[in-house]
Amino acid sequence: DIVMTQSPDSLAVSLGERATINCKSSQSVLSTSNNKNYLAWYQQKPGQPPKLVIYWASTRESGVPDRFSGSGSGTDFTLTISSLQAEDVAVYYCQQYYTGPLTFGPGTKVDIK
Amino acid sequence: EVQLVESGGGLVQPGGSLTLSCAASGFTFDNFAMSWVRQAPGKGLEWVSGVSGRGGRSYYADSVKGRFTISRDNSENTLYLQMNSLRAEDTAVYFCAKDRFGSSNFNGYFNLWGQGSLVTVSS
Repeated sequence: DIVMTQSPDSLAVSLGERATINCKSSQSVLSTSNNKNYLAWYQQKPGQPPKLVIYWASTRESGVPDRFSGSGSGTDFTLTISSLQAEDVAVYYCQQYYTGPLTFGPGTKVDIK
Repeated sequence: EVQLVESGGGLVQPGGSLTLSCAASGFTFDNFAMSWVRQAPGKGLEWVSGVSGRGGRSYYADSVKGRFTISRDNSENTLYLQMNSLRAEDTAVYFCAKDRFGSSNFNGYFNLWGQGSLVTVSS
């Protein structure tokens, strides 16, 4: 199975400042056939289901504010919130869909400093 | 309205069985692969099982293989998860989730989630 790890476990950022979350996979999730990284990011607020934020490592889901961006390739990925807003307080998960079983990272909790 | 609504959760004894349902509306159900993802109390997300749009292919996490069965009734726009031989470690909120893009393949990332159904396995 592909093991996903995330860092940090939690972070607190001032409003308007940048938040950066890292995700690492135990093996590459980059397909050589289509040059795509099979990596998604989700946002989960308390008491709510997860919400898709990014897929293909860097494609923003429709309706997601452009302060959210994804980057990386192979085994190392980053989710960046360029200017943290109060509504961004949540737990963020990365997930690989390169191969079964699908696996999620343990999550990173983002709070306001 | 585009939505998924789970039902069927509850309290069950270890070794018991339970069937979850997920009613879909607002989209062409049989165009999309579907999955079940669970979340133990205070914990992270764990993918449990997935099924292709027409139901011909199903996939399972090792932790549930041989105990859980995923199925779908496209005429009723409903996804199911039959859970047998339940264990304490199966206690979780179970979410149904829709593949982002419709295709004959199972893509494995999800743009629509239900609110979840709580399954508690305890004596």
